[in-house]
Amino acid sequence: DGGITQSPKYLFRKEGQNVTLSCEQNLNHDAMYWYRQDPGQGLRLIYYSQIVNDFQKGDIAEGYSVSREKKESFPLTVTSAQKNPTAFYLCASSIDGSGLTNQPQHFGDGTRLSIL
Amino acid sequence: GENVEQHPSTLSVQEGDSAVIKCTYSDSASNYFPWYKQELGKRPQLIIDIRSNVGEKKDQRIAVTLNKTAKHFSLHITETQPEDSAVYFCAATFTQGGSEKLVFGKGMKLTVNP
Repeated sequence: DGGITQSPKYLFRKEGQNVTLSCEQNLNHDAMYWYRQDPGQGLRLIYYSQIVNDFQKGDIAEGYSVSREKKESFPLTVTSAQKNPTAFYLCASSIDGSGLTNQPQHFGDGTRLSIL
Repeated sequence: GENVEQHPSTLSVQEGDSAVIKCTYSDSASNYFPWYKQELGKRPQLIIDIRSNVGEKKDQRIAVTLNKTAKHFSLHITETQPEDSAVYFCAATFTQGGSEKLVFGKGMKLTVNP
């Protein structure tokens, strides 16, 4: 979906370094999500946010942090505490995060993070 | 706990054949079931979804069926074409702490041989 932009496309992290992945959407969606994709593992939820200035941990939040200061932006920081960060990271958004209307999630093109 | 099982993990068919992907979910309260197609190195794309008040939905060569009693839903692709080759993910909603999230299956790699 052209309305969700992730950057950079490729990112390399050194030992002990924090890195931040960008996710921006111009769809006016309330909810945003971060997933991690490993081969054979499917998509696993890291963090999600239903509204500005609020977010919840997903299934694998350890070693990651997020912020939601603006509706259109939901950056993900991979901290040095995440010992196995090599993966494909996908950001998604949906119109309504309340769950009341079950709106589909639309994904960005992803960021591939590797360890140097 | 929340769980979505998907099988088979790989499927190879001849062009023109049908393909079926099956998923089961653990939470009887799940009420939304999307299917995504992901081509190599690209973003997952929503191809069809179904809500719990519907038993079947069709869109051209793609159909999805839902059996709430058995907690089972399936994706059917007819007249497969080489461009259908991709990884397909099913997902189901789970409610956690008053908010809802999607849990994905591990995916099925479909190969359509010309």
